[in-house]
Amino acid sequence: EVQLVQSGAGVKKPGESLQIFCQTSGYAFAGHWIGWVRQMPGKGLEWMGIIYPGDSDTRYSPSFQGQVTISADRSISTAYLQWSSLKASDTAMYYCVRSFSGYSFDYWGQGTPVTVSS
Amino acid sequence: EIVMTRSAATLSVSPGERATLSCRASQSVSSNLAWYQQKPGQAPRLLIYGASTRATGIPARFSGSGSGTEFTLTISSLQSEDFAVYFCQQYSNWPLTFGQGTKVEIK
Repeated sequence: EVQLVQSGAGVKKPGESLQIFCQTSGYAFAGHWIGWVRQMPGKGLEWMGIIYPGDSDTRYSPSFQGQVTISADRSISTAYLQWSSLKASDTAMYYCVRSFSGYSFDYWGQGTPVTVSS
Repeated sequence: EIVMTRSAATLSVSPGERATLSCRASQSVSSNLAWYQQKPGQAPRLLIYGASTRATGIPARFSGSGSGTEFTLTISSLQSEDFAVYFCQQYSNWPLTFGQGTKVEIK
């Protein structure tokens, strides 16, 4: 059974750093792109970026390029989303997603809520 | 960037009726189009990929059509569990982009 299990809620102050993770199981981690999607409170879905764990090829949305870092550790089948300096506007739910048939997303993590507030 | 535009923010439909949702791409995405359903407090769920192929476990009352720039998601007979928000997503070009979402509510 394919599972994407995300880390718990993050509560941070502006300017702090944060890394959230997505631990996967039930499939060949290296063989599927895995990405991140943001959903701000009461809003729609925004694709942030995606990584291919097989060769670490990474693509970012221009809206998020330079704002976050996506990485993956094949040895533990886990993907990461990292901020070096959070802003209040980063407050949102973050989903990790597994790519399927091109770049549609067939499996979603449960979501990690991130709150950035002074 | 390809912009995905929904036809309506909200669709009010009675149970048992047909719901038709539309999504337009600002340029051709061929058939690289997916639809997702999201219920309150839950992660989205893949319904349709390749514009018209149902994902595993998705009931036959959900169907997708279209290619190029115009796409439709049809729910043939709305069940109570279908009242939710629906998003389209293109995966033809980087960056991948989602439409704003259409809320299907009970009439």
